Amino acid sequence: EVQLQQSGAELVKPGASVKLSCKTSGYTFSNYYMSWLKQMPGQNIEWIGNIYGGNGGTGYNQKFKGKATLTVDKSSSTAYMDLSSLTSEDSAVYFCARYINYFDYWGQGVMVTVSS
Amino acid sequence: DIQMTQSPASLSASLGETVTIECRASEDIYNGLAWYQQKPGKSPQLLIYNANSLHTGVPSRFSGSGSGTQYSLKINSLQSEDVASYFCQQYYDYPTFGAGTKLELK
Repeated sequence: EVQLQQSGAELVKPGASVKLSCKTSGYTFSNYYMSWLKQMPGQNIEWIGNIYGGNGGTGYNQKFKGKATLTVDKSSSTAYMDLSSLTSEDSAVYFCARYINYFDYWGQGVMVTVSS
Repeated sequence: DIQMTQSPASLSASLGETVTIECRASEDIYNGLAWYQQKPGKSPQLLIYNANSLHTGVPSRFSGSGSGTQYSLKINSLQSEDVASYFCQQYYDYPTFGAGTKLELK
């Protein structure tokens, strides 16, 4: 069974950074891309970027370049996303999802709240 | 960017009814379209990909159709567990989503 387990909710101060994790199981991590997506209340889901589990190759939505950095640890089948210079606009739920053009399996989501 | 316009924004239907949700792309996406269901507090779940292919384990009352710029999701014989929000997503270009349709019971 494919599973994507995300880290817990984060409360961070403006200007800080946060690193989110997505631990996978049930499939060969290095054979697939992992995506990260952002969902804010009342707004469209946004695709942040992709990372290939095999070699760490990345592709980003232009909007999130400089904001998000995607990495992987193949040894633990885990994907990570660093979000930097956080503002209130970064408060949202963030999902990891396995990507094969569409998103066939999703993590449970993690809420990031940016507040002083 | 390819813009996805989804309609209606909200929908109220009775148990057993057939429901249709539409999605229009700002350009031809050549059937590169997926549909997702999201229940409150949960992650989206894939229903349909390639415009009309049913994802593993999805009930057959869900179906997708369309081509070019116009696509639709149909739910036959609405069940209580179908109350959710539904999103379309194109993947002809980098992924973009529709704004969603909130489906409630009448």
